[in-house]
Amino acid sequence: GAVVSQHPSWVICKSGTSVKIECRSLDFQATTMFWYRQFPKQSLMLMATSNEGSKATYEQGVEKDKFLINHASLTLSTLTVTSAHPEDSSFYICSARGDTGNNQETQYFGPGTRLLVL
Amino acid sequence: SQQGEEDPQALSIQEGENATMNCSYKTSINNLQWYRQNSGRGLVHLILIRSNEREKHSGRLRVTLDTSKKSSSLLITASRAADTASYFCATAAGNTPLVFGKGTRLSVIA
Repeated sequence: GAVVSQHPSWVICKSGTSVKIECRSLDFQATTMFWYRQFPKQSLMLMATSNEGSKATYEQGVEKDKFLINHASLTLSTLTVTSAHPEDSSFYICSARGDTGNNQETQYFGPGTRLLVL
Repeated sequence: SQQGEEDPQALSIQEGENATMNCSYKTSINNLQWYRQNSGRGLVHLILIRSNEREKHSGRLRVTLDTSKKSSSLLITASRAADTASYFCATAAGNTPLVFGKGTRLSVIA
């Protein structure tokens, strides 16, 4: 099956620093990637959708200048949390969709990145 | 925006019992999917049911879909302690991203 990886799996940083999270589709070309955020004991909330080579589309309430998304290639998308603050501490999950040979509508999820901002 | 609503929010049962979780949604969909998430871990895809399907089975899982009521149910039969997790429904419509429900936290007591 299609595999999506994320790096790092967890990160601890000081308030005010920026953190970059990578999302890679390992065995297929991801034409679309999605970034979700999940706070403890809550569900996944979509943050943004990105298509390769285009600017990301952000959901209402998500600051595009704070959460920078780059989808420069068909296998890599990055989410940069700029000037992170404790309230940004969360579980960030990426998802990819593309031509896997099976079903182009299926979203494949990465294992998530846990961010803790001190 | 969140579309699915699961109930119950939390469910605690004894090992061997069946667990039923329900999901309701608001708009037309292409398919509905169920995921499991163990505490602090990533999502595990369980099953996908298309809008033209009414029931689907996979091992101990049984999913139903009623598009007229915009609802779905997930039944786990003969539950095990290892089934303890959060379960989410997610709906897909056209090319839009999956929208997740609030989830049900299932505890299976040995």
